[in-house]
Amino acid sequence: GEDVEQSLFLSVREGDSSVINCTYTDSSSTYLYWYKQEPGAGLQLLTYIFSNMDMKQDQRLTVLLNKKDKHLSLRIADTQTGDSAIYFCAPSLKVSGGYNKLIFGAGTRLAVHP
Amino acid sequence: DAGVTQSPTHLIKTRGQQVTLRCSPKSGHDTVSWYQQALGQGPQFIFQYYEEEERQRGNFPDRFSGHQFPNYSSELNVNALLLGDSALYLCASSLLPVEGFYEQYFGPGTRLTVT
Repeated sequence: GEDVEQSLFLSVREGDSSVINCTYTDSSSTYLYWYKQEPGAGLQLLTYIFSNMDMKQDQRLTVLLNKKDKHLSLRIADTQTGDSAIYFCAPSLKVSGGYNKLIFGAGTRLAVHP
Repeated sequence: DAGVTQSPTHLIKTRGQQVTLRCSPKSGHDTVSWYQQALGQGPQFIFQYYEEEERQRGNFPDRFSGHQFPNYSSELNVNALLLGDSALYLCASSLLPVEGFYEQYFGPGTRLTVT
């Protein structure tokens, strides 16, 4: 079945690193995405990783993928108050007909305090 | 570039009524997907449109239907509204996905409240 799990809440001090974790069940994921949602707004694509990679770095963001354990993480270096938001993990899964769809976790609320 | 726009921003309806939500995709995009986001949850995929046809559908009843117009804009219709339909409805546009990769741009959503 399709299931994506994330811890619901993470609190960090400004300037520290944040690590948001995600586990998923379907091994057919080709691309795995991280989205950010600020209050009252839609989702913003932050970064993604292709399933044949185990790490991708994009400025302050580092994505780690452990395909064997079906575990994905997002590390935010030097976390700022503007990073406070809900972060969603979303693997892309193959469905019938050769199409793909995104499966979202429930989201991790990141709170950054001074 | 206006990005993805949705209307209306907020909507209040009564149980049993019908509602139509609208979405204009980002310029150059031809694929529109709709999601339902209940409070405290992640978005749930409703369906996706490409070339005015529904390409794929999530686990939503037939009360949820949609349409895509020749200019790629899209509508989501929900009939016989239930209290449980109260949610944020998100529209996302992209180019046609290739091998699972598609960069979806989301609109700000329509907040639907059913009383």
